[in-house]
Amino acid sequence: LAKTTQPISMDSYEGQEVNITCSHNNIATNDYITWYQQFPSQGPRFIIQGYKTKVTNEVASLFIPADRKSSTLSLPRVSLSDTAVYYCLVGDGGSQGNLIFGKGTKLSVKP
Amino acid sequence: DTGVSQDPRHKITKRGQNVTFRCDPISEHNRLYWYRQTLGQGPEFLTYFQNEAQLEKSRLLSDRFSAERPKGSFSTLEIQRTEQGDSAMYLCASSFRDRAGETQYFGPGTRLLVL
Repeated sequence: LAKTTQPISMDSYEGQEVNITCSHNNIATNDYITWYQQFPSQGPRFIIQGYKTKVTNEVASLFIPADRKSSTLSLPRVSLSDTAVYYCLVGDGGSQGNLIFGKGTKLSVKP
Repeated sequence: DTGVSQDPRHKITKRGQNVTFRCDPISEHNRLYWYRQTLGQGPEFLTYFQNEAQLEKSRLLSDRFSAERPKGSFSTLEIQRTEQGDSAMYLCASSFRDRAGETQYFGPGTRLLVL
């Protein structure tokens, strides 16, 4: 399973757009890229998943370049409630299926 | 609520006692996962089931840990002879695996404190 690298922490202000980039140089052909959000004392919450190019849902956008060696989670107009840890994961959920989490990116949104 | 549920949400026990946690997955999900998370770290995989079959166990899952998923529905995770190092958040996730892939949905977790 491909390993991911993302910043340990990021700061932002309310109303700004936040972009969190994740590196996954060894991503395999069958791997998808998935992002989760986690608040303290809660389980991770699925945000978005993609394979290539751009994916958008009501919460975020995911940008994946052609080589797929990185991806960027974009959160539009963050609010204080977006303060959380964000995890980037890659995997195909194949015969193993288990997700390998890193330490994630702790996003702090300030007023 | 049709999400993943876990019970109890919190458990305090004394070292050496046995504890059991329950996870109810999203209805019709065929896969169920257990993870453990300690403070400041991401969740770590423990084991998973496809229907009632336990398909993989992590080396983190010592002999004191056992998990079951009778009839492919809810699952239990038991820790025997608990140790202080077992203190952590235990997370359950479920998914439906098909040819299109899968997305895991997590429950709220059970926080265990071993005194």
